[in-house]
Amino acid sequence: GENVEQHPSTLSVQEGDSAVIKCTYSDSASNYFPWYKQELGKRPQLIIDIRSNVGEKKDQRIAVTLNKTAKHFSLHITETQPEDSAVYFCAASGGALTFGSGTRLQVQP
Amino acid sequence: DTGVSQDPRHKITKRGQNVTFRCDPISEHNRLYWYRQTLGQGPEFLTYFQNEAQLEKSRLLSDRFSAERPKGSFSTLEIQRTEQGDSAMYLCASSRLPGQGYEQYFGPGTRLTVT
Repeated sequence: GENVEQHPSTLSVQEGDSAVIKCTYSDSASNYFPWYKQELGKRPQLIIDIRSNVGEKKDQRIAVTLNKTAKHFSLHITETQPEDSAVYFCAASGGALTFGSGTRLQVQP
Repeated sequence: DTGVSQDPRHKITKRGQNVTFRCDPISEHNRLYWYRQTLGQGPEFLTYFQNEAQLEKSRLLSDRFSAERPKGSFSTLEIQRTEQGDSAMYLCASSRLPGQGYEQYFGPGTRLTVT
């Protein structure tokens, strides 16, 4: 089955800095890679996703890159704000999602 | 509210009791997924349906767990003879068919505490 590894597990940045979270996956059949943001006590919220036929996708301050050959994908957040503080999960899918273990991002004002 | 809904939001039960949770997906979504999330971990896949058909079950899913989606709309997840290790957040998600969109949207979850 699919295995997704995510790092770092915690990330602290100053407001306005960039944050990068990286994930690797094992199953070359996976073709869909979403990122979710989860605030304490709340449901995971989809923030951006990428399909395997695309190398990069951007939505305002958030971007995701995918390297299918190396089986890794990354989330980039620019101009971080305190409200970006949350746990971020990457996932890979050929049907059901396999999630990484999460990155706790803390943006210091 | 047209999002995914789950009921109940919280459930406290004693070890050995049976519990049942309900999920109502987004109305036009054909696929419905169940996940379990423990503190500090990512959601873990349990099972999923396409319309009424249960297409996949995790190998980790104990035979004490059963799920149904009898009319292709809402789904129920039942846990029999609950154990303390079953304490977790049970999340439901729904999506369209792969050719129509891959995005999975989550419900608020049912938090189960087994005492």
